[in-house]
Amino acid sequence: DTEVTQTPKHLVMGMTNKKSLKCEQHMGHRAMYWYKQKAKKPPELMFVYSYEKLSINESVPSRFSPECPNSSLLNLHLHALQPEDSALYLCASSHKTGGLGEQYFGPGTRLTVT
Amino acid sequence: GENVEQHPSTLSVQEGDSAVIKCTYSDSASNYFPWYKQELGKGPQLIIDIRSNVGEKKDQRIAVTLNKTAKHFSLHITETQPEDSAVYFCAASLGGTSYGKLTFGQGTILTVHP
Repeated sequence: DTEVTQTPKHLVMGMTNKKSLKCEQHMGHRAMYWYKQKAKKPPELMFVYSYEKLSINESVPSRFSPECPNSSLLNLHLHALQPEDSALYLCASSHKTGGLGEQYFGPGTRLTVT
Repeated sequence: GENVEQHPSTLSVQEGDSAVIKCTYSDSASNYFPWYKQELGKGPQLIIDIRSNVGEKKDQRIAVTLNKTAKHFSLHITETQPEDSAVYFCAASLGGTSYGKLTFGQGTILTVHP
């Protein structure tokens, strides 16, 4: 089973709200990723967690705050977002760290910031 | 850093025809090349991948070829079906040093006409 689940599926939030996106995998993968995808564009890497530790932050603004409570869960906390942050947020996981493991993506959360 | 160019940006074929999508990469140290299919409203789905020690890999109707000297790789879909219609992304990864960072091409919108 190569399933990554994400909740919620859709989220609408105002610029002053605080919300969280959740990602879960039960494949025993030790690397988890957050990507942002704008319409008609490829996914852009935001964060990488390796063995529950943040290993890559692609210079993402601090209004996005990732958290990895355990090896199966990945959260993305959102605060004071801007309308240009509206996008599809994708979570992925892979068995291997170091770039040689297949990455499996979840269905994404469609975020709209009003 | 790595740069991946993908062509064509759109591809229209008749059902039963073959489709070929090509990508070139810039960093000769890249050693992992996955292909993803993304249907409308869904996350990217890994459909095939190839590592730099292999020249070709096939899985039923899809195949990927890699030319390390020329730094390009291609996706071949034979006997196309309407359900193959989607956006296809190629990617390259510098395994071993970059914690799984995938650099994506810009995507190809494939339309298979019945």
